[in-house]
Order: sequence, then C-alpha cells, then structure tokens
Amino acid sequence: GIQVEQSPPDLILQEGANSTLRCNFSDSVNNLQWFHQNPWGQLINLFYIPSGTKQNGRLSATTVATERYSLLYISSSQTTDSGVYFCAVGDGATNKLIFGTGTLLAVQP
Amino acid sequence: EAGVTQSPTHLIKTRGQQATLRCSPISGHTSVYWYQQALGLGLQFLLWYDEGEERNRGNFPPRFSGRQFPNYSSELNVNALELEDSALYLCASSGTGDYGYTFGSGTRLTVV
Repeated sequence: GIQVEQSPPDLILQEGANSTLRCNFSDSVNNLQWFHQNPWGQLINLFYIPSGTKQNGRLSATTVATERYSLLYISSSQTTDSGVYFCAVGDGATNKLIFGTGTLLAVQP
Repeated sequence: EAGVTQSPTHLIKTRGQQATLRCSPISGHTSVYWYQQALGLGLQFLLWYDEGEERNRGNFPPRFSGRQFPNYSSELNVNALELEDSALYLCASSGTGDYGYTFGSGTRLTVV
C-alpha cells in the first residue's frame, strides 16, 4: 500500500517564527489533504491539494505530485497553531485516505 | 451548512459490552468513513460505506461492524469490547467534487 512519511516528527517554535512541514508519499495519489488536529481531537481540514499551490491566511501548501511530496508552510506562528499536523493521501484503488504519522508542533509564547 | 456530526461525544463501557457510535454526514455526501485513533497508533482506516453498502474495511476483526442508512447516516458497532478498543473514533464524509474528506469531532470510547 501507499506509504506516507512526515517530517519533522516534532517541532518547537517561538511565536512569530515560520516553519515548513513536509509530506512524502510512495505512489500516485488522487487526493492529498493537510489537517490540524486540535487538543480536543477534531481534525480540521486545512487544504485539499492533490497538486499545485494554495494559500489561506498565514498558511500555504504546495504539492508536487510528479515528485511525490507536499509542503505545508506556517508563517508568523501563533500559540493557537499548536497541535498535530497530519498529511493524508487518497488511494484511488481502495478509496482509503491514508494518514502520515503527523508532526507535533508546539508554539511557545 | 452543518458539518459531520457524531454522537455520543464520550462513551464509557465495560469490557465485553457492545458500543454503538453514530455519524451523520454532510448533506449531499453519500460516502461515510470510520477511523480509529488509538493512543500512539495514529489514524487507522476502519470502514467505508457508500450508497448503503460496505465498500471496504481495514484490518480489524469482525466484531467491528456497521451500517449505513437510507439517509446516509451511519452506525459503527463494536461487540465484545476489549480494553484495547479504547480510542477516539472519527467519522468522515465525502461527496462528488474536489473537496476531500470532512471529519466530525469524534467519539471518545473508553473501555474499563
């Protein structure tokens, strides 16, 4: 099956700093999403981005499907950005959304 | 537009009992997915329902089952509960178009 790797596994930032999270996947995918899991467990959909670049406020994402990776950029980080960021890819053959192991982000004031 | 809703928010059961979790998808979405997030094990795919039929299931024993109703809402049943079933159970829905999956807030199941 498709493998999804995220890096780094953990990240500590000072408020106001920028960061880049990476997602590598092992095969062609028909879907790629970035989620933020808040402390209560809810998965917030940040981007649906199987290819190309999107921006939403301080967050932006880029997926290069031909090279099988995606990047999530967080600029001017805030303490409310803390949590786990997941990359998930869609396996067209099974319709499963396969999750990476996540990046645990802690933004300190 | 209402999002994906799950109930109950929390559920405490005794080992050996049965648990029933419920999910209502976004209006117009016909596919419902169930995921388990156990501590330290990440998000694991459980089941996919579409148009009332089970389309795919993950690597879980048969005591994990469910169904999808004509209104596309779904129910996950876990029989003969074990301590290891304690986890956050997340439901997602998807429809046509390029919007991906939307998740509910989850049901936190604790087996004691």
